[in-house]
Amino acid sequence: SQQGEEDPQALSIQEGENATMNCSYKTSINNLQWYRQNSGRGLVHLILIRSNEREKHSGRLRVTLDTSKKSSSLLITASRAADTASYFCATVPIQGAQKLVFGQGTRLTINP
Amino acid sequence: SAVISQKPSRDICQRGTSLTIQCQVDSQVTMMFWYRQQPGQSLTLIATANQGSEATYESGFVIDKFPISRPNLTFSTLTVSNLSPEDSSIYLCSVEPVRQETQYFGPGTRLLVL
Repeated sequence: SQQGEEDPQALSIQEGENATMNCSYKTSINNLQWYRQNSGRGLVHLILIRSNEREKHSGRLRVTLDTSKKSSSLLITASRAADTASYFCATVPIQGAQKLVFGQGTRLTINP
Repeated sequence: SAVISQKPSRDICQRGTSLTIQCQVDSQVTMMFWYRQQPGQSLTLIATANQGSEATYESGFVIDKFPISRPNLTFSTLTVSNLSPEDSSIYLCSVEPVRQETQYFGPGTRLLVL
């Protein structure tokens, strides 16, 4: 079952601006991951943050995790048109045998 | 990482027929997964394909509708049986290499049932 909820469902910004997407989940987790999907194609793994980590960076990506609030955020800085895609958070529950549970996703549009 | 291919990339099928989707990975992996993504929706796990044993299905998915084969550590098939328009979705396979915590996804198979 889906346990993640993301907001906003859709986000449209101008190129160069920062984009922030949020994810909430319901059960205790081992880790939380963010994926990108371009136009209904396969998913690309972006970043993983473990339950004992609070913040992680990768290039223009910054991910935070607040396990007390069961929430995470993905920040994309200095957005580019190529960042236009759907972004999904996915959690690995502690009792989940490495199964990914996906959020509903945020559709991000970067306007040139 | 792992490179995954899926066949077919897309298909249009008549209701009542079946479609078998193939997933090939370029290295041996223990864990292979099949997901469904309905139009405009997120991904839902169908089953975990285990090599040498029956697949493990998630709640709401049954073997009669979604039979899975896993003959070796680099290949799996998912069959969607007795197709109805509600089966129109993207079907994706993924793998989790040993000692890695991330899953790598195939490009997906887009199915339209008329």
